[in-house]
Amino acid sequence: DIHMTQSPSFLSASVGDRVSISCRASQTIKTYLNWYQQKPGKAPKLLIYAASALQSAVPSRFSGSGSGTDFTLTISSLQSEDFATYYCQQTYSNPRTFGQGTKVEIK
Amino acid sequence: EVQLVESGGGLVKPGGSLRLSCAASGFTFSVYSLNWVRQAPGKGLEWVSSISSSSDSIFYADSLRGRFTISRDNAKKILYLQMDRLRDEDTAVYFCARAVPSAHDALDLWGQGTPVTVSS
Repeated sequence: DIHMTQSPSFLSASVGDRVSISCRASQTIKTYLNWYQQKPGKAPKLLIYAASALQSAVPSRFSGSGSGTDFTLTISSLQSEDFATYYCQQTYSNPRTFGQGTKVEIK
Repeated sequence: EVQLVESGGGLVKPGGSLRLSCAASGFTFSVYSLNWVRQAPGKGLEWVSSISSSSDSIFYADSLRGRFTISRDNAKKILYLQMDRLRDEDTAVYFCARAVPSAHDALDLWGQGTPVTVSS
């Protein structure tokens, strides 16, 4: 199975900050990497697919990069509605696996 | 409206069974692969299972060890998850989600989730 590791697990930031979250795969997954945002009590929402493609209706302050084993989700200017938990997921092979999550909190 | 709506969750004793349903509307159900993802209280997302559009490819998380069975009825536009020999650690909110083949099978549409509690 492919293991996904996110860092950091917790991130404290202010509105307007540039924020980056890392996701590392235990073996190459090419660009089969997706990012989701989840707010408390809600279903996850797809932000980025195929490592860098922005899902429809997602603000352009979100961007993704990387290939192989190392990936990054960047929020260029953090907004109040962005405080949430973010997960990466690989869809290169089965079983599909998620990272453990990164919670972005208000500083 | 394009949506997925789960049902069937509830309280069940250890060793018991439960069948979850996920009803789809607003899109062509039969062309998409579908997934179940769960989230234990206060924990992260855990992928559970997936089924292809024609049910010819089915996968499960290793941890389930044959206790769960995914299936679908394309005529009724319903996805199922049969859960047997339930354990305390199966307590979670269960989400169904649609996979988009043109997006590397990313999960672009999710239901609201149905809670399952396994407790004596």
